[in-house]
Amino acid sequence: KAGVTQTPRYLIKTRGQQVTLSCSPISGHRSVSWYQQTPGQGLQFLFEYFSETQRNKGNFPGRFSGRQFSNSRSEMNVSTLELGDSALYLCASSLGDRGLEQYFGPGTRLTVT
Amino acid sequence: GDSVTQMEGPVTLSEEAFLTINCTYTATGYPSLFWYVQYPGEGLQLLLKATKADDKGSNKGFEATYRKETTSFHLEKGSVQVSDSAVYFCALTRTSYDKVIFGPGTSLSVIP
Repeated sequence: KAGVTQTPRYLIKTRGQQVTLSCSPISGHRSVSWYQQTPGQGLQFLFEYFSETQRNKGNFPGRFSGRQFSNSRSEMNVSTLELGDSALYLCASSLGDRGLEQYFGPGTRLTVT
Repeated sequence: GDSVTQMEGPVTLSEEAFLTINCTYTATGYPSLFWYVQYPGEGLQLLLKATKADDKGSNKGFEATYRKETTSFHLEKGSVQVSDSAVYFCALTRTSYDKVIFGPGTSLSVIP
């Protein structure tokens, strides 16, 4: 079974731009969670989607948004990028209602200049 | 709210040394507990889990026991290898509807 895939793997953007990251979960997984990982703040929860609905949300500003499609693929968008948004963005999928374990993708490394 | 605390790193050990990484949690009810590992340049992967008190999770020589009385889930390995060098995260969740709470991570370096 294929694992969680994230695209692109690396991205360089300029302050003020916007960016969209994509995540394809493991087949059959209905829950997708997004995390931001930085050396200073560690792993921080952004949001979780289950069956196209946002089920949980972290403490991030409204510039960070996401969505999930009917095939469970998910995207997250960051508008008006700031230098502090430079991070590794990790996506994780799980069965959602029948499994607690999360399966992580390799991440997208975003650099904002 | 729920939280996870881990011992601060980095931890540096010689090959074949004994490893303990402490993890304690704060949560209502009976959460499920996890250890995830992140190797350099990769995403996290599940190492082991325990879903009820006194359960012992084990995988790849690593073990952790769910201790309700001390709200702890310490990770142990009897003999570490260089390939165990990674960042280890303790985590909890209460149900499949709740978000997963991660600890800050503990970096482990094993030197030959």
